[in-house]
Amino acid sequence: GQNIDQPTEMTATEGAIVQINCTYQTSGFNGLFWYQQHAGEAPTFLSYNVLDGLEEKGRFSSFLSRSKGYSYLLLKELQMKDSASYLCAVRRAGYSTLTFGKGTMLLVSP
Amino acid sequence: DTEVTQTPKHLVMGMTNKKSLKCEQHMGHRAMYWYKQKAKKPPELMFVYSYEKLSINESVPSRFSPECPNSSLLNLHLHALQPEDSALYLCASSQGDTYFSTDTQYFGPGTRLTVL
Repeated sequence: GQNIDQPTEMTATEGAIVQINCTYQTSGFNGLFWYQQHAGEAPTFLSYNVLDGLEEKGRFSSFLSRSKGYSYLLLKELQMKDSASYLCAVRRAGYSTLTFGKGTMLLVSP
Repeated sequence: DTEVTQTPKHLVMGMTNKKSLKCEQHMGHRAMYWYKQKAKKPPELMFVYSYEKLSINESVPSRFSPECPNSSLLNLHLHALQPEDSALYLCASSQGDTYFSTDTQYFGPGTRLTVL
């Protein structure tokens, strides 16, 4: 089976940097994905990692360590619109399906 | 273009009604998915179609019946639902190349279903 853990809630201030961690246990790892979901809306794809290291996309970066079963999503220059739930999802080798973590609710305050 | 469309946006139905949710994508994706999402919970996989064939059914009750008429369309037929089935129903699609780790799922906006 698979087990994915991420913090339930985080708070941060506008303009700051926040790091959302995700740890996972799975057999046959084949990619880790981050999605952003605003309340009542669909998840929006942010990034994926399959190899160790950092992937940068504008204000968002995602890091992966396969040996540690660990990833993080780094959000820089936080804006109020970044208040959302951030979902970590893992795919197993040979499968198209994703297993989602429970999501981290990020609240950005002025 | 990474757009997946879903209709209707909102649906209210009684427990004896029959209704259908529709999903469409024109990205040439060969895998399509139905998810159910309750408030403050992650999406929960229901069904997967791969190359228009049902490949995964996550033990979903028979009152939910999926259909894939062609590679661009995915339906979810609803009959005799229960109030606890009220949720956001999300459709997603991906290229469907399971051997490529870059295969990314793109979600539609969802249908907010309320069962009275």
